[in-house]
Amino acid sequence: EVQLVESGGGLVQPGGSLRLSCAASGFTFSSYEMNWVRQAPGKGLEWVSYISSSGSTIYYADSVKGRFTISRDNAKNSLYLQMNRLRAEDTAVYYCAKTRTGTTSHWGQGTLVTVSS
Amino acid sequence: DIQMTQSPSTLSASVGDRVTITCRASQSFNSWLAWFQQKPGKAPKLLIYKVSSLESGVPSRFSGSGSVTEFTLTISSLQPDDFATYYCQQYNTYPLTFGGGTKVEIK
Repeated sequence: EVQLVESGGGLVQPGGSLRLSCAASGFTFSSYEMNWVRQAPGKGLEWVSYISSSGSTIYYADSVKGRFTISRDNAKNSLYLQMNRLRAEDTAVYYCAKTRTGTTSHWGQGTLVTVSS
Repeated sequence: DIQMTQSPSTLSASVGDRVTITCRASQSFNSWLAWFQQKPGKAPKLLIYKVSSLESGVPSRFSGSGSVTEFTLTISSLQPDDFATYYCQQYNTYPLTFGGGTKVEIK
C-alpha cells in the first residue's frame, strides 16, 4: 500500500524558513516523479513544485520560484521542500503526491504551515 | 498556463440524484484530465484520470467524459458518501492546474 507521510510544518514568522519532508513507502520511490501541492485554509488546490524520478528535472510555480527548493533522496525514500523567505500567503496545508501516468495519484495527509507574526 | 474553470461552485442535491460537474479549459489539450474528491480535513482522492478512466476501487457510479476544452464528471446516483468537494486537474503541461472546486451539498 502506498504511504506518504509529510512532516516539518509549523508556525513560522514572515521571512523565516521551514523544511518539509515526505517519507514514502509501499512503492519503488526512485521510479516515480513527485509533486508538492498546497491548499490555503478554505481554498482550492494549488500546485507548488515537481521533481522527476532522478531529480534531474524540476519545476516550480511562479508564486514560489526563487524561494522554495524541491529535492529528493532516493536512498532514503524521501522528498523534501525547503521553503525560504516565507510570506503570509504561503500559509497552507502542504501535500506531497506520487505521480502516476502524469497525474497526482496518491497524496499524503498533509502538513500545515502557518506564516504569522 | 492552462486555466481550469469549474461549474457550479456549489451544488445542492439529494441521495439518488444524477449529478454533473463541468470543467472548462482555457486552451485545448489531449485527454490529460483528472477528477479528485476531497472531504473536510482529508487529502484529495483520485477518482478519474485521462478524462474517463476510473481509478481502481472507485465506484462505477462515477464517470468522466469530454474533450478539447470541456469535460464533465457525472455521479449517476448520488450516495451519502459522495457529499464532498470535487476538483478537476489538467496534467497536459506544467504548471499543473486545478479547477476552483465544486462542493456537493445535501439538499
